[in-house]
Amino acid sequence: EAGVAQSPRYKIIEKRQSVAFWCNPISGHATLYWYQQILGQGPKLLIQFQNNGVVDDSQLPKDRFSAERLKGVDSTLKIQPAKLEDSAVYLCASSFGRADTQYFGPGTRLTVL
Amino acid sequence: DQQVKQNSPSLSVQEGRISILNCDYTNSMFDYFLWYKKYPAEGPTFLISISSIKDKNEDGRFTVFLNKSAKHLSLHIVPSQPGDSAVYFCAASAGSNDYKLSFGAGTTVTVRA
Repeated sequence: EAGVAQSPRYKIIEKRQSVAFWCNPISGHATLYWYQQILGQGPKLLIQFQNNGVVDDSQLPKDRFSAERLKGVDSTLKIQPAKLEDSAVYLCASSFGRADTQYFGPGTRLTVL
Repeated sequence: DQQVKQNSPSLSVQEGRISILNCDYTNSMFDYFLWYKKYPAEGPTFLISISSIKDKNEDGRFTVFLNKSAKHLSLHIVPSQPGDSAVYFCAASAGSNDYKLSFGAGTTVTVRA
């Protein structure tokens, strides 16, 4: 069974530029999560989707971050404009349902200069 | 406001000995607890979990203990093996219908040959 796929794996941008990350969850998984992991900290949930609807985006900085999950499969997370403090690893995870084990992708390491 | 705390950033243990990782939480609504393991450049992978109705759960070399009154859980790895060298994250969620996870900062385990 293929795991959660993410791209790109690494991204370096200047502050105030925009960036987008892509996630393809495990086939059949209805729930999809985006986490932000800053160096030295644990992952922090940014947004949770159930199929193509948002369940929780309370910790998403909506002035600069946006996410979508069209057709309830793939998802993109966008930052526009990026700030220095956005440097982190962005992890995507998926689960069969909202009360099932979450499986994580390898993450995208973002560096904002 | 960090609701899940792993106060030991690192642990070094000799191969064959026991590794004990600790985790404390502050939110009394948490009722499901998990440990994830993470290798460099990979996403976290699920290791073991425990529900608040139990005080112990065992899976092979891994055992998780939960002390609800102390709001404390621990992960025991016996015996420790070189492949166990990784970062271990403690995570918790509130509500059995929706696993929105709060993570600790992680403990880096190094198993010495």
